[in-house]
Amino acid sequence: KNQVEQSPQSLIILEGKNCTLQCNYTVSPFSNLRWYKQDTGRGPVSLTIMTFSENTKSNGRYTATLDADTKQSSLHITASQLSDSASYICVVSGVYDYKLSFGAGTTVTVRA
Amino acid sequence: GAGVSQSPRYKVAKRGQDVALRCDPISGHVSLFWYQQALGQGPEFLTYFQNEAQLDKSGLPSDRFFAERPEGSVSTLKIQRTQQEDSAVYLCASSLAAREYTGELFFGEGSRLTVL
Repeated sequence: KNQVEQSPQSLIILEGKNCTLQCNYTVSPFSNLRWYKQDTGRGPVSLTIMTFSENTKSNGRYTATLDADTKQSSLHITASQLSDSASYICVVSGVYDYKLSFGAGTTVTVRA
Repeated sequence: GAGVSQSPRYKVAKRGQDVALRCDPISGHVSLFWYQQALGQGPEFLTYFQNEAQLDKSGLPSDRFFAERPEGSVSTLKIQRTQQEDSAVYLCASSLAAREYTGELFFGEGSRLTVL
């Protein structure tokens, strides 16, 4: 069973609007959680990395939150742009676990 | 180069052919990972190298898959007697540290393999 579940599977938003993506995980003990952006046909690119002691981290218009108690994270995209159209992947690392557990991703489509 | 480079970007193979996929990590990066990404899915771990040592190959799906990194830099993932279920994008990633726990992991753009 996948230890990282993401929702929704896909979403469509209008340019300029905000959206929030969800990530639930069961990886334990927990070390860190990452959000990656993967454009079609490209490799994943890191957006944020958070350890268990961090509740929020921002990277431009991307803001990630983490609740290590409930094992939930969210990625909020503010004022979406057409270039935000991509798959967003949540990745969780356990302590002393270098393999990383990947979610299936949320595909975001931004329309003009 | 400045990033992780993979080649070929696209490979079409007939069932039963052998293929070799190359990864050139960022210079000086100790850790190198191979992942397999099926369409619409997240990457799945295949194998991990620390310099030239293959420390973990538990994710390789069968003995038809073989990976090497003989000089601790460039790595090659070889698939023998390809099957249709091998069709996927193969991603290579590298990081500066050994056994990457909290640091940055840099991905290549992947090699898309299609087996006919």
